[in-house]
Amino acid sequence: SAVISQKPSRDICQRGTSLTIQCQVDSQVTMMFWYRQQPGQSLTLIATANQGSEATYESGFVIDKFPISRPNLTFSTLTVSNMSPEDSSIYLCSVVTPYLWEQYFGPGTRLTVT
Amino acid sequence: EDKVVQSPLSLVVHEGDTVTLNCSYEVTNFRSLLWYKQEKKAPTFLFMLTSSGIEKKSGRLSSILDKKELFSILNITATQTGDSAIYLCAVWVSGTYKYIFGTGTRLKVLA
Repeated sequence: SAVISQKPSRDICQRGTSLTIQCQVDSQVTMMFWYRQQPGQSLTLIATANQGSEATYESGFVIDKFPISRPNLTFSTLTVSNMSPEDSSIYLCSVVTPYLWEQYFGPGTRLTVT
Repeated sequence: EDKVVQSPLSLVVHEGDTVTLNCSYEVTNFRSLLWYKQEKKAPTFLFMLTSSGIEKKSGRLSSILDKKELFSILNITATQTGDSAIYLCAVWVSGTYKYIFGTGTRLKVLA
């Protein structure tokens, strides 16, 4: 398994501002992902965070809005830029372990934009 | 297009009941299926299934995969109020390097 920490745990932000969420894993992993879960919805993949290269974004998500950094194999950040109330969601980072291909999630960040 | 569908969307039962949650998938190149329990924010890993017919079991929870009919079921016996949660399944599609999630089943267990 993998132990993942994420911070902040929650935040309330004003529209137009940006928030950076940090994700730390207790072991080196190649595959790290960022998800969003809007109220009452299932998980939606935002992007795959690639170490040493630009993140791979899913349809509907762009780098200008959700810039991602992955400086090494244990850490990543997701920034939610120029926030609007529609960005109010739970943001989750996750990793897929090598060999077993099991996916584990961080504790999540609950973001409220007012 | 690859997709994962869960049923029912929601379910209300009484303590002690047995429930069966379904996850069906249509993907181009199946590799594995995961089940999660989500109570507050983060989904908690329950099972990984890769082979048909082999039951995975943990306490009152069990799961099995049918790769011919393209579905998996999650059984919860003798349900308790602590089983109230959203149950998610996800399928890994080879070549895409990501899991595709179903819509989830919201289970509520009444005392």
